[in-house]
Amino acid sequence: DAGVTQSPTHLIKTRGQQVTLRCSPKSGHDTVSWYQQALGQGPQFIFQYYEEEERQRGNFPDRFSGHQFPNYSSELNVNALLLGDSALYLCASSPQGGERRTDTQYFGPGTRLTVL
Amino acid sequence: KNEVEQSPQNLTAQEGEFITINCSYSVGISALHWLQQHPGGGIVSLFMLSSGKKKHGRLIATINIQEKHSSLHITASHPRDSAVYICAVRWGGQRVQGAQKLVFGQGTRLTINP
Repeated sequence: DAGVTQSPTHLIKTRGQQVTLRCSPKSGHDTVSWYQQALGQGPQFIFQYYEEEERQRGNFPDRFSGHQFPNYSSELNVNALLLGDSALYLCASSPQGGERRTDTQYFGPGTRLTVL
Repeated sequence: KNEVEQSPQNLTAQEGEFITINCSYSVGISALHWLQQHPGGGIVSLFMLSSGKKKHGRLIATINIQEKHSSLHITASHPRDSAVYICAVRWGGQRVQGAQKLVFGQGTRLTINP
């Protein structure tokens, strides 16, 4: 049973470019959350997808957008990249809408994005 | 002020020492997670707590809901325990469809020397 997978593992872009990061949730999970982790900091919540819709959003600009596909996999898109977007982007999945208190989130290995 | 505060930010100890990492949060929560992050980024969930205490091997996690405080303890620490330990909370506020988001502390960098 594969856990949460993310691609690519590393990515280098230049300012102004656009990037798409991908996440496949753990088998049986239908909710995907995205987090941004700057160097030396804890992760910050970007948004969450459930039933192919964005359900919650953190304090991130509209340059950050996403999508969830019918197979529950998800993409994170960032437009007009800034130097400050350099970070580790983590995807986490949880089962059955994650509404039960006992549900935990399973994290992928992350995609490290460097913006030059 | 961060909603989730961890202490200490950095901790260096000798192999075999008993380790305690603390986490305080500011509002009511439905659950608290302790996570481990190794160099390279991968995050592993260690515990999820809503009350009391949980133990797994040499790791023990406790939570005091009234005091809004949790601790992670490592007994007989080992160099392989060296990692960043992160506390994350799930707010107990209004329910929305889909999992409630996690709010993370800044992490505690633990180094265990042989």
